[in-house]
Amino acid sequence: EAGVAQSPRYKIIEKRQSVAFWCNPISGHATLYWYQQILGQGPKLLIQFQNNGVVDDSQLPKDRFSAERLKGVDSTLKIQPAKLEDSAVYLCASRHGDRAYFGPGTRLTVT
Amino acid sequence: DQQVKQNSPSLSVQEGRISILNCDYTNSMFDYFLWYKKYPAEGPTFLISISSIKDKNEDGRFTVFLNKSAKHLSLHIVPSQPGDSAVYFCAALEYGNKLVFGAGTILRVKS
Repeated sequence: EAGVAQSPRYKIIEKRQSVAFWCNPISGHATLYWYQQILGQGPKLLIQFQNNGVVDDSQLPKDRFSAERLKGVDSTLKIQPAKLEDSAVYLCASRHGDRAYFGPGTRLTVT
Repeated sequence: DQQVKQNSPSLSVQEGRISILNCDYTNSMFDYFLWYKKYPAEGPTFLISISSIKDKNEDGRFTVFLNKSAKHLSLHIVPSQPGDSAVYFCAALEYGNKLVFGAGTILRVKS
């Protein structure tokens, strides 16, 4: 069974630029999460999808972050414009039942 | 509002001995609790989970204990091996809703 795929693995941008991350979940997993993990902290939930609908985006900074999951499969997370404090690892996970599986993450550095 | 807390930032254990990682939670509505292991530059890897209706779940060297009255769970690793050195995250799932993580505990197993 293929795992959760994410790209790119690393991205360096300047502040005020835009960036997009892509996630392909495990086939058949209806629930998809995007997390932000800052060094030394636990993953912080940004948004949760159930199929192509948003279940929870209460912690998503909507003035600069957006996410979509077209057709209930792949998902993209976008930041526009980026700030220095957005430097973090962005993790995508998909869940079936009581188990969630993570991709390798995208390390974003904003300079 | 930190619903899942891991109060020990780090733990150092001798190879062959038992490692005990602790986690506390505040939300009585959580249905499952999960433990993840994370190596640098990788996404979290699912280790073991426990349903809120159980008090123990075992998988090889890993055992998770749940004390609902105390809102406390622990992960026991016996015997500990140097390859177990990683960051361990406790997470809690309210079914259909968010998957919330603690801040993590760094485990170092000394040979």
